Amino acid sequence: DQQVKQNSPSLSVQEGRISILNCDYTNSMFDYFLWYKKYPAEGPTFLISISSIKDKNEDGRFTVFLNKSAKHLSLHIVPSQPGDSAVYFCAAVADSWGKLQFGAGTQVVVTP
Amino acid sequence: GAGVSQTPSNKVTEKGKYVELRCDPISGHTALYWYRQSLGQGPEFLIYFQGTGAADDSGLPNDRFFAVRPEGSVSTLKIQRTERGDSAVYLCASSPSGRANPVTQYFGPGTRLTVL
Repeated sequence: DQQVKQNSPSLSVQEGRISILNCDYTNSMFDYFLWYKKYPAEGPTFLISISSIKDKNEDGRFTVFLNKSAKHLSLHIVPSQPGDSAVYFCAAVADSWGKLQFGAGTQVVVTP
Repeated sequence: GAGVSQTPSNKVTEKGKYVELRCDPISGHTALYWYRQSLGQGPEFLIYFQGTGAADDSGLPNDRFFAVRPEGSVSTLKIQRTERGDSAVYLCASSPSGRANPVTQYFGPGTRLTVL
């Protein structure tokens, strides 16, 4: 069963505007959440993370929000840039050795 | 420094054949993970090594899949009697450790396996 879900397969946003990517999860044992970015023919690269004891983490243009009661997290990219065009994966960890469970990904296209 | 490398980058095989996929982790990384990404989906966990031992192989889909890491560095994922449903991108990731810092999984570019 899919424990991490990204229900929007794609997102188109204008350069300079905000991109908001959403992720829902079902397993309440998840205690760490991560966002990865993936370009074609490359492996995923780590972007930003958040522990379940926090509700917000910010790193430059990227902010992740966690709503534990709703089992929902989101990634905000402000301002969006053409180089942000990629597939973004939400991932979660519940195991002691960091086994990642991924969502299906959201393709972001930033247009000029 | 060198990142995680995977060879081959592409592998085309026929149904029923045997294939080996290789992963060279970042030097010194003790943890190594294999994931499989099918078209339109996110990566799915297959197996995790801590050193030479497979600490968790719960993601291997069936006994046609096997992985080794004999010296605690390079790992090989082996698939016997390949089926068309095995077609996917196989990703390898390495980490200096496991839970202590879950964000430090560095992924290789993957091997795209196509079974005809």
